Amino acid sequence: QVQLVESGGGVAQPGGSLRLSCAASGFKFNSYGMHWVRQAPGKGLEWVAFVQPDGRETFYGDSVRGRFTVSRDNSKNTLYLQINSLRVEDTGLYYCAKDFHLEELLPYYMDVWGKGTAVTVSS
Amino acid sequence: SYELTQPPSVSVSPGQTARITCSGDVLPRKNAYWYQQKSGQAPVLVIYEDRKRPSEIPERFSGSSSGTLATLTISGAQVEDEADYYCYSTDRSGYQRVFGGGTRLTVL
Repeated sequence: QVQLVESGGGVAQPGGSLRLSCAASGFKFNSYGMHWVRQAPGKGLEWVAFVQPDGRETFYGDSVRGRFTVSRDNSKNTLYLQINSLRVEDTGLYYCAKDFHLEELLPYYMDVWGKGTAVTVSS
Repeated sequence: SYELTQPPSVSVSPGQTARITCSGDVLPRKNAYWYQQKSGQAPVLVIYEDRKRPSEIPERFSGSSSGTLATLTISGAQVEDEADYYCYSTDRSGYQRVFGGGTRLTVL
């Protein structure tokens, strides 16, 4: 079945960096765009980023653009999120999610989600 | 501030109809989607493209959209429907996606 498993979260200091990973299985990974969504503790969902199926183009939410980089390795069926210049407000659960549409170049909506990986930014 | 506005909470008794609204300037031009998130779990899509329901979602869930308002309706809400519900669409630019602030549904 379709499965997404995030990893790479942990505790980091403000100003530091983290790279999150998302291992995908059960579907043709290189045919679907992929999203990252985050959720601060006790808060709502925030759309973070999207990468096209072939990785050529990326889209970001305003609050993360310039610090976050989404990428993918289709040979490894893996999605990544590089987070630089970490801020306390980056603390939260980070979900990767598959876009519904096959071979779509723009972000649409997510039909399958992972369980998330937790990031804590604290000095 | 959110570009999609939802009420923070809605409360109904079991068997009653729950309506959760989502207001946004983009909604006359863009589809709305609804996600359900139960405590400690990942979100689940319950409505897509304003009114379509995934096959695994119970028929009591329905969606509609008119002008700047999208509505998620749960007809005959059940205790297991207690969750946070988020609407989702696009921002004014059309290239970013955005969630509403979320609505906590209480059924008791």
